[in-house]
Amino acid sequence: KQEVTQIPAALSVPEGENLVLNCSFTDSAIYNLQWFRQDPGKGLTSLLLIQSSQREQTSGRLNASLDKSSGRSTLYIAASQPGDSATYLCAVSGDNYGQNFVFGPGTRLSVLP
Amino acid sequence: DAGVIQSPRHEVTEMGQEVTLRCKPISGHNSLFWYRQTMMRGLELLIYFNNNVPIDDSGMPEDRFSAKMPNASFSTLKIQPSEPRDSAVYFCASSLALRGVTEAFFGQGTRLTVV
Repeated sequence: KQEVTQIPAALSVPEGENLVLNCSFTDSAIYNLQWFRQDPGKGLTSLLLIQSSQREQTSGRLNASLDKSSGRSTLYIAASQPGDSATYLCAVSGDNYGQNFVFGPGTRLSVLP
Repeated sequence: DAGVIQSPRHEVTEMGQEVTLRCKPISGHNSLFWYRQTMMRGLELLIYFNNNVPIDDSGMPEDRFSAKMPNASFSTLKIQPSEPRDSAVYFCASSLALRGVTEAFFGQGTRLTVV
């Protein structure tokens, strides 16, 4: 059974810092990995999708990498801003139909002005 | 497209009552997921459908929960009878499986409170 963990559980940084969020999964047979952002009381917003054949994806100040063999992904946020404060979740999709997402518990990020 | 639409946004009901949550996926998507989110357990997959057919319902907590997808544009999650421990935020998500690439899009959720 696929299990996804995220480290750290919570992170507080001053504005402007570069930071890394970590995601680990136990079964490397995945179709893709997706990073989400969730603001308090809101739904999940997709940030980046990395296909299993890819090693990284970039969008603006965000860069996500994937190492399938070691079961790891990292989300790099450059020049953090207070507006980046949210919970970040990673999810992997299994290979039955390529559609069953398993989520990690999330990292709660606070960027202080 | 307006995205995944869920209704109601908030629901407060008394223990023992029937609750029905509704979801309209993104047009053209062929997979639909129901998740439950709590502080204690995080996001849990309850059930997912592919082309309107339930594929995996192993996450449905017990027989009090049932889900249907009568057509490609509508799904319901029903709890009968509801219990206080069912209080959570319920999310619906949809995706389009295309050559194995499946990006999921979530609705805003339904916050259910059972008193």
